[in-house]
This record gives sequence, C-alpha cells and structure tokens, in this order.
Amino acid sequence: GAVVSQHPSWVICKSGTSVKIECRSLDFQATTMFWYRQFPKQSLMLMATSNEGSKATYEQGVEKDKFLINHASLTLSTLTVTSAHPEDSSFYICSATGQGMVAKNIQYFGAGTRLSVL
Amino acid sequence: GENVEQHPSTLSVQEGDSAVIKCTYSDSASNYFPWYKQELGKGPQLIIDIRSNVGEKKDQRIAVTLNKTAKHFSLHITETQPEDSAVYFCAASPGSARQLTFGSGTQLTVLP
Repeated sequence: GAVVSQHPSWVICKSGTSVKIECRSLDFQATTMFWYRQFPKQSLMLMATSNEGSKATYEQGVEKDKFLINHASLTLSTLTVTSAHPEDSSFYICSATGQGMVAKNIQYFGAGTRLSVL
Repeated sequence: GENVEQHPSTLSVQEGDSAVIKCTYSDSASNYFPWYKQELGKGPQLIIDIRSNVGEKKDQRIAVTLNKTAKHFSLHITETQPEDSAVYFCAASPGSARQLTFGSGTQLTVLP
C-alpha cells in the first residue's frame, strides 16, 4: 500500500513553454502533498506544501507564479512550471501523506520527473 | 527552523560488512525520523522510521537508533549486499507540521 504515482517521468520542452507534472496517491487519501526539487548529487529541497482544497504554501525563494500548484482532490496534485527556462531543468519529486493507517504522518514519494528545458 | 546534518557523505564497504550512517538534528520538537533510500533517477523510498518514544527499531538487516538527549539518530545496515548501494537520506519532522527536513545524503557503495 501507500503508492504515489508521478507522471511524466521525463519531459523535454522548449524554453518559454509550460510543463505540467501530476502526482497521484493510488491507495490512500492524500490530505497533504509536497513538492521537492533535487539538483544532481544534492539533497531534496522543499518547494511547497499543499493541502487539499487550499492554496499551496511556498518556501522562501520559490516563485509561486512560476511554479503553480493545484491540489484539487484528495488523490491528485499538479505542479505546473510556467514559462520554463534552462535554469528550471531539474529533478522534481512529489510526496504525499494522509490520515489513513498506512499513510499517517509518513511521506511517500513519487518516482520523480526529470525536466530538461532546451 | 530544523537543521539536519548527515555523515559521512560517502561510504564504501565490502559485501557482508556493516554500514553505519549518522545524523544530528537541532530542533528538540522533532519527534519523527525516517530514513529513505534513493536509487539513481528514482524517488526516495522509505526504508525505516522511528518516533521519539522509541530508542531503537529493527527490520531484518536494517536498524535505526535514536538518542533524544544528544539529538542524534543512526542507520545501521548489517550483512550489506551490492543492491544496498544507493544514496541514503535521513530526515526529521516535528510531526504535527508534517514537513520533513532532510540531511545531505550518504552515497553508500557495497563492493562485491
């Protein structure tokens, strides 16, 4: 149990375009989802926290207008990178936590999305 | 806020030997400490966790110990196998806030 699916696993886009990444909890209700960014050989940096039905809370230094997060249901959150530029190229990972027995207070991670902006 | 330090950054062991990774945290309010294994190009996978009301937890070849007084916790892997090779991250959380603060990671290499 406690499976988080992230799609796509890899995306290449042209500079100036927008990219949407989906994060789904498959077998539990994700009351809270997190979005992280990871540079090569570095740790995970929290970008934002989203609670179902509420606006996301962004970490300091993360542009909310550039990284749009939507958590419209208990099983789906999306991250849209708007007007992407080469410096946005990175590995983006979502995680989810919920109130169920399996998922309570534990973050389960998706497989990540590698974004390459040309 | 919370600060988690992790050592060593790289660790090489012979197959069959034990590996130990250590983390310290700064916020005494932290009460949940998970360990994640991340293979190249994949998301982190939870391998074991411990809460502040417990001093030690084991799961087959993996164990975690917690010293609340000293604010440090450690991951122990016994009888290491080549498939244990990966990056391991420790993390700490105050629980109610649910946010995790991650350590910098340890690249573990198990040599056959």
